Amino acid sequence: GDSVTQMEGPVTLSEEAFLTINCTYTATGYPSLFWYVQYPGEGLQLLLKATKADDKGSNKGFEATYRKETTSFHLEKGSVQVSDSAVYFCALRNQGGSEKLVFGKGMKLTVNP
Amino acid sequence: ETGVTQSPTHLIKTRGQQVTLRCSSQSGHNTVSWYQQALGQGPQFIFQYYREEENGRGNFPPRFSGLQFPNYSSELNVNALELDDSALYLCASSPQEGYYGYTFGSGTRLTVV
Repeated sequence: GDSVTQMEGPVTLSEEAFLTINCTYTATGYPSLFWYVQYPGEGLQLLLKATKADDKGSNKGFEATYRKETTSFHLEKGSVQVSDSAVYFCALRNQGGSEKLVFGKGMKLTVNP
Repeated sequence: ETGVTQSPTHLIKTRGQQVTLRCSSQSGHNTVSWYQQALGQGPQFIFQYYREEENGRGNFPPRFSGLQFPNYSSELNVNALELDDSALYLCASSPQEGYYGYTFGSGTRLTVV
């Protein structure tokens, strides 16, 4: 079945550091890919998405490119802020069947001032 | 516009009991999905409702059941609670079947003792 693998944390960075969170997937067909963020005590918020190969999703300084050849969707940000401290989830939605999202296990990021 | 609201926010139940969790979808959204998020894990798809009909189900036993009402709000019912049912239960709504964006609620934290 479909699955998502993320690099595991937790990760602690200093403010203004560069962030990369690796995400690879296994799926049949051509899934859509997503990054969600979960702040403490809150639900999931959609951070960015890409629906086809070579698409780049971007939002709030975060970027991720849909790489079909490497089945990856790595999340990057050039300069993190304390407010970026959260848990980040990579997810996919495959075509056909139910509209379910398949999530990775998540990675907790802490950014120190 | 209001977002997705879930109630209650926290709940403690005894093994063997039954529980009902509630979700009010975002205005204009007619599709509701439920996810279970165990501690330190990514959310797992339970099932989805579209226009009051179940539209896909994950690998959860029949003691997990749901309803969607004409106003598109939804309930998740779990019978014969087990200790492993302790988790954060998330509700997500979207405007229409096949739409990629989901709005998540803050979840209900269920503890089974």
